[in-house]
Amino acid sequence: GQQLNQSPQSMFIQEGEDVSMNCTSSSIFNTWLWYKQDPGEGPVLLIALYKAGELTSNGRLTAQFGITRKDSFLNISASIPSDVGIYFCAGRGYGGSQGNLIFGKGTKLSVKP
Amino acid sequence: GAGVSQSPSNKVTEKGKDVELRCDPISGHTALYWYRQSLGQGLEFLIYFQGNSAPDKSGLPSDRFSAERTGGSVSTLTIQRTQQEDSAVYLCASSLGQGKGQPQHFGDGTRLSIL
Repeated sequence: GQQLNQSPQSMFIQEGEDVSMNCTSSSIFNTWLWYKQDPGEGPVLLIALYKAGELTSNGRLTAQFGITRKDSFLNISASIPSDVGIYFCAGRGYGGSQGNLIFGKGTKLSVKP
Repeated sequence: GAGVSQSPSNKVTEKGKDVELRCDPISGHTALYWYRQSLGQGLEFLIYFQGNSAPDKSGLPSDRFSAERTGGSVSTLTIQRTQQEDSAVYLCASSLGQGKGQPQHFGDGTRLSIL
């Protein structure tokens, strides 16, 4: 079945630093989504990507849909303490039985003031 | 509220008991999903409802798990004869449809603890 690898698993950075994380899939996707999850809450959608090569920003966040359709990255510029949380990528492949999302295992981000 | 609502937010029960978890999707969303998230893990797909179509149950881990969606809105996930390995956060999500361009929006989950 489809697999999705997300890296790094965790990051511990200084406030103000830029952050980059990425996901790769074993097959091509038609959708890439990036979510953030805070403790005790559900994932919140950050950025949605629907076209290969698409580059989309949301404030300090920028994400791209890889041209191979098998990868995506998320960058966070000038990190702040409230960026702490777990970031999940999710993708949707072509066809498939249910069209549901496949999720990465998450990148846990810790920011040191 | 305008978001996906799940209840209860926390549930503690003894091994062997049955539990019911409820999800109220965003009004007008025809697609509804259930996921399970174990501690420190990603999201594991359980079941998916789309309109009046037969649900996709391919992610349910055993026949102790079942879900219903009445009237195309509220959904209930039922776990019978709970086991300790069922302890996890159960997340519900909804979307306008299941196609491209219709991302899922999540509730805050039900944290289930089996003693």
